[in-house]
Amino acid sequence: DVQLVESGGGWVQPGESLRLSCAASGFTFSSDWMTWVRQAPGKGLEWVANIKEDGSEKSYVDSVKGRFTISRDNAKNSLYLQMNSLRVEDTAVYYCARPWDSWGQGTLVTVSS
Amino acid sequence: DIQMTQSPSSLSASVGERVTITCQASQDIKYYLNWYQQKAGKAPNLLIYDASNLETGVPSRFSGSGFGTDFIFTISSLQPEDIGTYYCQQNDNLPFTFGPGTKVEIK
Repeated sequence: DVQLVESGGGWVQPGESLRLSCAASGFTFSSDWMTWVRQAPGKGLEWVANIKEDGSEKSYVDSVKGRFTISRDNAKNSLYLQMNSLRVEDTAVYYCARPWDSWGQGTLVTVSS
Repeated sequence: DIQMTQSPSSLSASVGERVTITCQASQDIKYYLNWYQQKAGKAPNLLIYDASNLETGVPSRFSGSGFGTDFIFTISSLQPEDIGTYYCQQNDNLPFTFGPGTKVEIK
């Protein structure tokens, strides 16, 4: 079975950084695009970023461009999201997903002073 | 960016009743439309992909139709376990965008 497990969430102050990880198993990780989606408390879903199988193509939603970086390590079956210059409005549960049939349980990022 | 709208924003229906949710895209997305169910505190679960294809393991009471800009999601006979929020999502153009969701409750 496909399994995606996120980690790395927590509480940070505005302007600080955080790195999320997603450990993948149960499928050939290196053969699939991967994506991050977030959900602010009580709000809807927002696509954040995605990355091609070999990492050669990356795309981001405008609100995180220049601050967030998606990456992957196919040897470790892992997906990452480096989040810099965090803002209060980045507070959300962050899900990693194999588009679009498999999702992790999410990790909560709270940005607050 | 492609804007996705959904209606209604919430609904309450009886067990066994037919439920319909509509989703409209601000521009042609062909059939690149997914439907998800999200239960409280859980990750979204893919129900329908490419507008009308039932994801493996999803009960047949769920269905989808549409092409272009107008899409419909149907639960043919609402069950108690179907409570949650339903989202449509276009994956035709970046940024991929979701509808605002429809909260489904049991009357």
